[in-house]
Formats: sequence, structure tokens, C-alpha cells
Amino acid sequence: EPEVTQTPSHQVTQMGQEVILRCVPISNHLYFYWYRQILGQKVEFLVSFYNNEISEKSEIFDDQFSVERPDGSNFTLKIRSTKLEDSAMYFCASSTSGANVLTFGAGSRLTVL
Amino acid sequence: AQSVTQPDIHITVSEGASLELRCNYSYGATPYLFWYVQSPGQGLQLLLKYFSGDTLVQGIKGFEAEFKRSQSSFNLRKPSVHWSDAAEYFCAVGPSGGSYIPTFGRGTSLIVHP
Repeated sequence: EPEVTQTPSHQVTQMGQEVILRCVPISNHLYFYWYRQILGQKVEFLVSFYNNEISEKSEIFDDQFSVERPDGSNFTLKIRSTKLEDSAMYFCASSTSGANVLTFGAGSRLTVL
Repeated sequence: AQSVTQPDIHITVSEGASLELRCNYSYGATPYLFWYVQSPGQGLQLLLKYFSGDTLVQGIKGFEAEFKRSQSSFNLRKPSVHWSDAAEYFCAVGPSGGSYIPTFGRGTSLIVHP
């Protein structure tokens, strides 16, 4: 069964460092998403991406965050200068259309020290 | 804007017992409703979804959920829990029109005792 893969599974970084989380969505999917879950809190929407541009973003997704689809397969989330409060599990997801079921990856756990 | 409440952070059941996980939502119209499960080290896997029609929805792994508009609820049930059902369960609500971005609850952790 096709799946969304995410790397790394766990990353530890120092505050102020740049982090890039990588995702390989399902090959025929057109919509891509990033969510995050701070420990013990809700899974929160960050951003959706379609046709090589951001289609929606939440208030969490500020100037420190960016997304990119650098080639035909990868979808990345960059955090420019990490803060302690960026520590969370980050989930990538993809879907065939904007009104369809999302398929999620296993997540990347980011720990900022 | 839509929101989801999962009032139980942890639920503990014995293997073979029945299970009900609660989910309440807030949304102005009829929503799309989902239950996802996350096993350790795995991604969020869709258990079942409700878009319209029959309010009792069957999903994978023997789970079902019932949409009750009057109670704004979409509780997940299973008649007999197996040890492998131990996982984190997430309820989500999505708008039924326009841009589709599901909103998730905080999750309920299911612990299964032998």
C-alpha cells in the first residue's frame, strides 16, 4: 500500500539552528500538508500546498516556517531559527484532492534544546 | 471555525471488553468526520469516515462510529478490544464545502490490559 515517508524520525537541535524536515508524499497525490503536535496537545494544522504554492496556512505558520517542493517527489518543511516551543512531532500528509482523505506519514519528532 | 474535543486523555480497558471513545465537535453545518489511529512508530491511519448518509459508519479493524447531530458527537466503538488496539486515537472534523482542512482533537490514548 502506498505510504507517506518522513525523515528524519527524530532530530535534536540547538535553539536558533535551522531544521529541514523531509517528506515523500504518495506519488499521484496533488495536495500536501504539514501538521504538528506538541506533546500532550492537539494535532494542529500548519500549512497546505498545491500546485507549487501555499494554499492555506494557520497563524502558527509564521515567517520562521517555509515549505518547498524542490523536485517531483520531496516536500520539505524548513524552520529557519528554531525555538524551544518548536519542539513537537511534525506530520506530513498528502491527498489526491483538496476534499479527500489525508494519508499521513509516521512523523518527525523535533527536539529543540 | 470548526473544533474537536476528545474529553478523555487516557482510557484503560481489559482485553475483550467493549470500548467507546468520545468525540464532540463544533461546526456550523454538517461536517466531515474522521477517526484516525496512531500505533507507536506509525503514521496516522484512517479508521473510518462520515461524509453523509447512514449515521452508523463501519471502519477497519472492527471499529464503528455513530454520528449524532443532536449531540454533536461522533463516538468510536468496538465491541471487543484486542491487545493490538492499544494506540493513540484521534478524532477529526473537516468542513463539508470549500477548502478542506481537517481539524484534529488532542487524541485519546488507549491502554489495553491482558
